[in-house]
Amino acid sequence: ETGVTQTPRHLVMGMTNKKSLKCEQHLGHNAMYWYKQSAKKPLELMFVYSLEERVENNSVPSRFSPECPNSSHLFLHLHTLQPEDSALYLCASSQDRGRYEQYFGPGTRLTVT
Amino acid sequence: SQQGEEDPQALSIQEGENATMNCSYKTSINNLQWYRQNSGRGLVHLILIRSNEREKHSGRLRVTLDTSKKSSSLLITASRAADTASYFCATRSSSGYSTLTFGKGTMLLVSP
Repeated sequence: ETGVTQTPRHLVMGMTNKKSLKCEQHLGHNAMYWYKQSAKKPLELMFVYSLEERVENNSVPSRFSPECPNSSHLFLHLHTLQPEDSALYLCASSQDRGRYEQYFGPGTRLTVT
Repeated sequence: SQQGEEDPQALSIQEGENATMNCSYKTSINNLQWYRQNSGRGLVHLILIRSNEREKHSGRLRVTLDTSKKSSSLLITASRAADTASYFCATRSSSGYSTLTFGKGTMLLVSP
């Protein structure tokens, strides 16, 4: 589990706040991902970065803004969120986009009040 | 669009019994992967099976793939209480350069 780390592990924020989620991978992988996991729903892919370039953006609202400054770090900037954005946000990395298995971080449990 | 769909949604067994979970998908795949998730934690990769493979083993896990039926199964033998978790299948399409698509998962409860 230490291959991919996420901070913070829990976050409570109001709808007017701005916060950021951080993900770091120590595996030398080229691809990184943000997923959203809500109750009773399949894992939703939000963003994909390959070699620091955003290659997928699955119709995610603009209140979620990703940033990948280098191949080891991935951020998800949050602003003016809605209560329905409360979920577990998971970061993952893989050697190559899609072809190999993904390694997940422990997730950030986000509650929007 | 959702690719993998697991069946059953929930499974409750006693320690020592075998657990079988199934996954069906719709389009041609390059590979299919199974993951486990303990409550509120990240997913852990269990096994990857490629489209040209029919069966794969890893410890107490056995995965089969039937591309003609577009289905896969995960068998956990001699289950333990520690196997209690949600299990997800994920598929990588054979077309283009796509990423993984996950199903809703099977929740497995193994009672001592």
